[in-house]
Amino acid sequence: NAGVTQTPKFRILKIGQSMTLQCAQDMNHNYMYWYRQDPGMGLKLIYYSVGAGITDKGEVPNGYNVSRSTTEDFPLRLELAAPSQTSVYFCASSPSSEELFFGEGSRLTVL
Amino acid sequence: QKEVEQNSGPLSVPEGAIASLNCTYSDRGSQSFFWYRQYSGKSPELIMFIYSNGDKEDGRFTAQLNKASQYVSLLIRDSQPSDSATYLCAVKKGGSEKLVFGKGTKLTVNP
Repeated sequence: NAGVTQTPKFRILKIGQSMTLQCAQDMNHNYMYWYRQDPGMGLKLIYYSVGAGITDKGEVPNGYNVSRSTTEDFPLRLELAAPSQTSVYFCASSPSSEELFFGEGSRLTVL
Repeated sequence: QKEVEQNSGPLSVPEGAIASLNCTYSDRGSQSFFWYRQYSGKSPELIMFIYSNGDKEDGRFTAQLNKASQYVSLLIRDSQPSDSATYLCAVKKGGSEKLVFGKGTKLTVNP
């Protein structure tokens, strides 16, 4: 089982560039989440979705956008990358909004 | 006051000892409580959840919840070097689809 697949695993961006972090799950979960984790910090919620076509902001949504056109996919778009967006990004899915299944993470550096 | 607070540690215990990890939360409407384990460079994985006051045991792990004191803890008995990881406390309010994570406590078990 693939579970939650994130791409790319590593990326270096220049300030002002844009990119999309891809997330796909094959478990037919309704709930999907994007978190970021800075060194020595916990997970901060960026955006989440409770089903296809429905998204909502988390704690730190500024500078990001999401869409959820299918149950399987939940891409995270970074517009005008800034050094403050240097982080590890985790996508997660859940059947119930309680046990989260995480992808392996995407490490993003903005220079 | 932060929503979910944990001692960042690091916490160091000898092999075979009991490791005690603590977490407090600020929202009295919180109803579900989780402990995730995150090995260095890896993604978090759920190890325990608890909904009711009291203790819940699963193998060497015991979760304890005291809603009146807004306190949840994780005890690891007979600690092993393989338990060395960061432990993240997460809390969910009733009716919410979002988990709020603490910063995590880094545990090192010394052989």
